[in-house]
Amino acid sequence: RKEVEQDPGPFNVPEGATVAFNCTYSNSASQSFFWYRQDCRKEPKLLMSVYSSGNEDGRFTAQLNRASQYISLLIRDSKLSDSATYLCVVNTPVSQGNLIFGKGTKLSVKP
Amino acid sequence: SQTIHQWPATLVQPVGSPLSLECTVEGTSNPNLYWYRQAAGRGLQLLFYSVGIGQISSEVPQNLSASRPQDRQFILSSKKLLLSDSGFYLCAYDARGTGWNEQYFGPGTRLTVT
Repeated sequence: RKEVEQDPGPFNVPEGATVAFNCTYSNSASQSFFWYRQDCRKEPKLLMSVYSSGNEDGRFTAQLNRASQYISLLIRDSKLSDSATYLCVVNTPVSQGNLIFGKGTKLSVKP
Repeated sequence: SQTIHQWPATLVQPVGSPLSLECTVEGTSNPNLYWYRQAAGRGLQLLFYSVGIGQISSEVPQNLSASRPQDRQFILSSKKLLLSDSGFYLCAYDARGTGWNEQYFGPGTRLTVT
């Protein structure tokens, strides 16, 4: 099983749609979880951290299910500017500060 | 506020030539620093990380090396580049003590080895 696994997509959705991305991780001892956004040929940028109780930031909602080792990101009312690749990221308890990045899910929002 | 710089932004080098990429961080002290590589269509691969001056840990065997001569400076080097070294090189830092290990990336260097 890969350490962090994501559906590569692409997800092609119309403006205004709701889209959900899922991610699974293999190390049950992982404690920190994040979603990053990466635009084409740019660096990844932190979108949001994922807390145990779930958290929301505007149109974005992240949830964590530790029992199933599963993380999700929900985007409501998609905008054209949401088009990007979304990376699921999990820390590795073995090495302090080291993060494992999924390969990302590509989202394309169409007019 | 904290910022991270990388240069050069793009680089085209012949096989067998040396490499030196530089990363500097401002606005934070004693950060953890990281070098990643992202090959075309692939995920981020951690190459090196550093918890302090002169302290370098390597995650994968390769013909690259890293050095940290100053607290907020991280350098990636190679004596002889291979074609397989082409990729997008990203430097990142995290501020210690946050407990969450969020990492912040520089703008990256796009390296093409010809």
